[in-house]
Amino acid sequence: AQSVSQHNHHVILSEAASLELGCNYSYGGTVNLFWYVQYPGQHLQLLLKYFSGDPLVKGIKGFEAEFIKSKFSFNLRKPSVQWSDTAEYFCAVNGNAGNNRKLIWGLGTSLAVNP
Amino acid sequence: DSGVTQTPKHLITATGQRVTLRCSPRSGDLSVYWYQQSLDQGLQFLIQYYNGEERAKGNILERFSAQQFPDLHSELNLSSLELGDSALYFCASSLISTSSSTDTQYFGPGTRLTVL
Repeated sequence: AQSVSQHNHHVILSEAASLELGCNYSYGGTVNLFWYVQYPGQHLQLLLKYFSGDPLVKGIKGFEAEFIKSKFSFNLRKPSVQWSDTAEYFCAVNGNAGNNRKLIWGLGTSLAVNP
Repeated sequence: DSGVTQTPKHLITATGQRVTLRCSPRSGDLSVYWYQQSLDQGLQFLIQYYNGEERAKGNILERFSAQQFPDLHSELNLSSLELGDSALYFCASSLISTSSSTDTQYFGPGTRLTVL
């Protein structure tokens, strides 16, 4: 079955702390991987994506993620978080064949950064 | 601003009623996706249209239907509404170029549906 698992449901950090959010997926075939962020009261925005090539991808606002194929993981990292990073973070996966590209989502991780 | 627009922003209605949510994709995007976000279920894929045709169906109830029009905008119709249908409904769009195996979905601001 296709699924995405995000290990941390709620994370609380102080500003300048390092962040790592776990994401594991189960999906047959070649995958595309995504992290989206949802700031309070706002819509989903793309943070970064992996399609192929270098497994370390860099996104907006200093975020990066590493695709480890052997572990079926795509963990999100940021070396130093800011208060403005307070948001809900979603990991998602889809396949890259055909016109069916529905995203399979994790349940999300709520990040609160204390100033 | 992703370029995907959704109307209305908020919708409050009663059980048993029918509502229509509208989505306009980014300019040039051919595919439209509908997702439901609720507290208990998280984000769930409902349905995808590509250039006017249904491409994939997810956890969409029979009471729900959608279509994509020739101008590529899409409507999601929800009927015989129940309390449990209260959720945030997102629309996303993407290009899906036939020459590319990669695709990124861009999301609209969502429609918050409250069923009383």
